[in-house]
Amino acid sequence: DQQVKQNSPSLSVQEGRISILNCDYTNSMFDYFLWYKKYPAEGPTFLISISSIKDKNEDGRFTVFLNKSAKHLSLHIVPSQPGDSAVYFCAASAIGAGSYQLTFGKGTKLSVIP
Amino acid sequence: DSGVTQTPKHLITATGQRVTLRCSPRSGDLSVYWYQQSLDQGLQFLIQYYNGEERAKGNILERFSAQQFPDLHSELNLSSLELGDSALYFCASSATGTITDTQYFGPGTRLTVL
Repeated sequence: DQQVKQNSPSLSVQEGRISILNCDYTNSMFDYFLWYKKYPAEGPTFLISISSIKDKNEDGRFTVFLNKSAKHLSLHIVPSQPGDSAVYFCAASAIGAGSYQLTFGKGTKLSVIP
Repeated sequence: DSGVTQTPKHLITATGQRVTLRCSPRSGDLSVYWYQQSLDQGLQFLIQYYNGEERAKGNILERFSAQQFPDLHSELNLSSLELGDSALYFCASSATGTITDTQYFGPGTRLTVL
C-alpha cells in the first residue's frame, strides 16, 4: 500500500514558466514532508521541507504548499530553468509518532524545455 | 558532491550469492541510512544506524543485514540473492539522525543479480 503517491510520472514545462509537482499521502500520522531532487547517476539531494504546522514554505524559487485536509502537497518552481530538469521525490514522516523513517513517493520526472 | 561515498558503483553477481555494499558518511555525521530503489519504485527505507547502534528498521528482508563500525562507516550485506534484489542501493548520512536533520545521499551502488 503506497502511503505517498506522485501520480504524474513526468511533467514538461517551458523555461521561465511555473512547474507544479504534486504529491498525495494517505497516512494521517504524517506531519513532516520533504522534497528531494535527483539527477541521473547521482543520489537524491534535499530541496525543501515543511512541517504540518505550516501550510507554506519558501526557499528562493521553490515553494512547498501543504493542504492537510486534502492530504496533498505541491512543489512550485518559479521560474523553471533547464537545470531543474531532474526527478523529484516527495517524502513524508510521522515525527509525532516517533518515526525516524522517511516514506518516499515514486518520483516525477521534470523536463524544462529551453 | 554530497561527501557520502559508496563502493562499489556497480556490482554484478549471480542468484544465491552474497555481496557487501560499503558506505562512508560525511565527515562528522553520526547516522547512516540505507535505501533500496527498485525499477519504477520510490526509495524504500531499509535501516538506520546512529553512532554504531541500530535506530530504526524499515522494509529490510531477513536475508539482508547491516552494521555501522566504530569509524562510522557502514556495510550492507545481502545474502541468498534473488533476481528481485536487483536495484540501486543508496546510503545517506546525517549529523544527528533525527528526521528534521538533512540526509545527504551517496551516488548509490547498482546491483544486478543474474
